[in-house]
Amino acid sequence: QSVLTQPPSVSAAPGQKVTISCSGGSSNIGSDYVSWYQQLPGTAPKLLIYDNNKRPSGIPDRFSGSKSGTSATLGISGLQTGDEADYYCVTWDRSLSAVLFGGGTKLTVL
Amino acid sequence: EVHLVESGGDLVQPGRSLRLSCTTSGFYFGVFSITWVRQAPGKGLEWVGFIRNEEYGRTTEYAASVRGRFTISRDDSRSIVYLQMDSLEPEDTAVYYCARRGNSYGTLDYWGQGTPVTVSS
Repeated sequence: QSVLTQPPSVSAAPGQKVTISCSGGSSNIGSDYVSWYQQLPGTAPKLLIYDNNKRPSGIPDRFSGSKSGTSATLGISGLQTGDEADYYCVTWDRSLSAVLFGGGTKLTVL
Repeated sequence: EVHLVESGGDLVQPGRSLRLSCTTSGFYFGVFSITWVRQAPGKGLEWVGFIRNEEYGRTTEYAASVRGRFTISRDDSRSIVYLQMDSLEPEDTAVYYCARRGNSYGTLDYWGQGTPVTVSS
């Protein structure tokens, strides 16, 4: 079981918006930045969001991130079939001295 | 252009050792920390460990599941990071990725394509 809790799956129709939650604690999300990654089938993960809400160059503004207390959220608007992938939240845990990955959320675009 | 390329993955028997390499190019290697992440078949991503840059003494941190068995080192003159894996267990079977770490511990801005490791008799 991951210390960071994500829903196993979410789904929505093309063009709609979906949010993916990531719940942690005071020693991890509550005290450090959160990043989000997209992993398309059979490929390496790709950085989508860093420092809670910043997008690397080349990531469209359909992807957004936010953090409040010990939880973080990834938002994806204008869903496309190409967004079907696994999404992971990541942060540092100061008590464990470890990088934590959420369990991952599989997005299905119906 | 930033590149990271993992190599060294193989089929190995339980209890044996294996060394993976992460060869990098396209950036000033010496100022960046490098992280290893693995993914078991059909499972999620799992942090393995990382090595800091020279400014921070090339110190390392490891996941509890590999601490004492795995060792990360770096050769700044060749821009390569190594993952030495000893006393391998079937549970270590995974694709191993290396990634460049950004400004925070969880920011991995460039990844390699991964190299598969299978631990089986």
